[in-house]
Amino acid sequence: DGGITQSPKYLFRKEGQNVTLSCEQNLNHDAMYWYRQDPGQGLRLIYYSQIVNDFQKGDIAEGYSVSREKKESFPLTVTSAQKNPTAFYLCASRGQGAPGNEQFFGPGTRLTVL
Amino acid sequence: AQSVTQPDIHITVSEGASLELRCNYSYGATPYLFWYVQSPGQGLQLLLKYFSGDTLVQGIKGFEAEFKRSQSSFNLRKPSVHWSDAAEYFCAVGPPYNTDKLIFGTGTRLQVFP
Repeated sequence: DGGITQSPKYLFRKEGQNVTLSCEQNLNHDAMYWYRQDPGQGLRLIYYSQIVNDFQKGDIAEGYSVSREKKESFPLTVTSAQKNPTAFYLCASRGQGAPGNEQFFGPGTRLTVL
Repeated sequence: AQSVTQPDIHITVSEGASLELRCNYSYGATPYLFWYVQSPGQGLQLLLKYFSGDTLVQGIKGFEAEFKRSQSSFNLRKPSVHWSDAAEYFCAVGPPYNTDKLIFGTGTRLQVFP
């Protein structure tokens, strides 16, 4: 089945450690996205990538980094510079072509920094 | 500034009752409009979308939404709610022809009583 996988589902880290969240898609989508979700705040865009080896900052990129070396993969690193990293992180992808194609979402990773 | 407002944080309905979830937006032009649903601890699933044309849009799971340009609204409706509809619902808007940077509302949590 085609879809988006995020691993792990739950992640615990100590304060001051970098952590990388995985996102893989087999939908052959060109564009991929990372969102952060906090209670009562909806989704906020961290980074997005429209094509391999290229990515753009979203609204809350500080303290995060990404790479896009393969079309299928868009890992997100939460660095120690992120002041409040505990959140639910969602990855999404979108096919190009028809304007306004919707974004498809993965199941999410809940990160808890202790 | 571009924004999306979901005025109702939490709605409770009885199973079999009708449902309307409100979404208002502020945007320079007519945006692309989406409704997503999220079950606890899961990713988002697209219910329906509006780009142009007929202002009444049919979606999955028996949901529909009506775009009203004069009111800058895109309310989600369902004639008869099922217990499995209990979830969080998000309205999102994006610029025409480029849905990379969606703006999400803060969500409405739906509770369904038997």
